Amino acid sequence: NAGVTQTPKFQVLKTGQSMTLQCAQDMNHEYMSWYRQDPGMGLRLIHYSVGAGITDQGEVPNGYNVSRSTTEDFPLRLLSAAPSQTSVYFCASSYLGQGNTEAFFGQGTRLTVV
Amino acid sequence: DAKTTQPPSMDCAEGRAANLPCNHSTISGNEYVYWYRQIHSQGPQYIIHGLKNNETNEMASLIITEDRKSSTLILPHATLRDTAVYYCIVRAGTGTASKLTFGTGTRLQVTL
Repeated sequence: NAGVTQTPKFQVLKTGQSMTLQCAQDMNHEYMSWYRQDPGMGLRLIHYSVGAGITDQGEVPNGYNVSRSTTEDFPLRLLSAAPSQTSVYFCASSYLGQGNTEAFFGQGTRLTVV
Repeated sequence: DAKTTQPPSMDCAEGRAANLPCNHSTISGNEYVYWYRQIHSQGPQYIIHGLKNNETNEMASLIITEDRKSSTLILPHATLRDTAVYYCIVRAGTGTASKLTFGTGTRLQVTL
């Protein structure tokens, strides 16, 4: 049972480079989201999706794009990386619905932009 | 979503109960209290949640005050592996997008 799988685990980018962080889940969850976590801080929501073809912005969306073409995958794109985007990125998924929705998190992607 | 207030850090001796408090004085009637923990920069892990009643599962117990303005997560017999940052989150379950707003949590250190 894979759960939420994030790739890569580690990445170093140069300023201005682009890349895509991958996230896949095998639990048929409607809801998926991306968070970033800076040192000593809690997670902040970047983008989220309530189903294929539907995405919306979270608290800190600038500099990131997302798409949701399938239920399973929710990639996060950095079009032009900046040092301020150095962070640990977590993908999460859950069922939708009132109350009883436990979120499952991936193990994170540690991104460094130099 | 209602804001939460947690102490930044706590210590607990191994084998003793760890009681982690959370204030959520602005919680509204349809908001649930969730607890997650994050062990050493891994992805957060769900622990327990509740609306009004006290809840217990294999990991922990959740005690919610009658006015719902505060709650306590109880780890009955803390072990070294329970050392983590614990997040108390109040989440609006509206049936649409379920978004988690993380604060800075409580760093629990379990010691021998």
